[in-house]
Amino acid sequence: AQSVAQPEDQVKVAEGNPLTVKCTYSVSGNPYLFWYVQYPNRGLQFLLKYITGDNLVKGSYGFEAEFNKSQTSFHLKKPSALVSDSALYFCAVMGVLNTGFQKLVFGTGTRLLVSP
Amino acid sequence: GAVVSQHPSRVICKSGTSVKIECRSLDFQATTMFWYRQFPKQSLMLMATSNEGSKATYEQGVEKDKFLINHASLTLSTLTVTSAHPEDSSFYICSARAAGLRSQETQYFGPGTRLLVL
Repeated sequence: AQSVAQPEDQVKVAEGNPLTVKCTYSVSGNPYLFWYVQYPNRGLQFLLKYITGDNLVKGSYGFEAEFNKSQTSFHLKKPSALVSDSALYFCAVMGVLNTGFQKLVFGTGTRLLVSP
Repeated sequence: GAVVSQHPSRVICKSGTSVKIECRSLDFQATTMFWYRQFPKQSLMLMATSNEGSKATYEQGVEKDKFLINHASLTLSTLTVTSAHPEDSSFYICSARAAGLRSQETQYFGPGTRLLVL
């Protein structure tokens, strides 16, 4: 079974400082990994994904994530945080259903708070 | 590109009535659409997966007669909550996966529908 762990319920960082939101996963076979962001009362916005290739993936709004196979991690990073980055961040891993469809499994989410 | 819309964004209904939520892919064709439910301060729970022109596949514990899903075209899926009760109050989010070779692995999410059953 696929699973995703986001060990931090909340991450606080000052504006201008680097941020990291942690994610580890468990999956059979090669993982497809995703980060999504959710603003209050909104759906999820796609940030970035890792499918194959370069371990460092760059995405929207200056975010990037590093795939580490040995540590089964896919931490989200940004060199300089903005107040507007404050939101709920979800890590997700792609699995496979019995029907053959690919099921996206989400972590529990990490709330990022960026202070001015 | 890859925009998914949902309608309505918010709905309040009386207990016992049915509510229909629409999910549309605006600039791409979606072979597969997904319906999720999100409780306050919790992650997304997959309710069902639907493919255009075929019956939806429901997750364990989700009542298919209560949550009717129709995926009539490559750009539209609907979720109908039948005989809604207060415990059905939640945030419902749909997502779509593109047809063809375009980023088939990526799901694009709608903005969500807040349902409140009185």
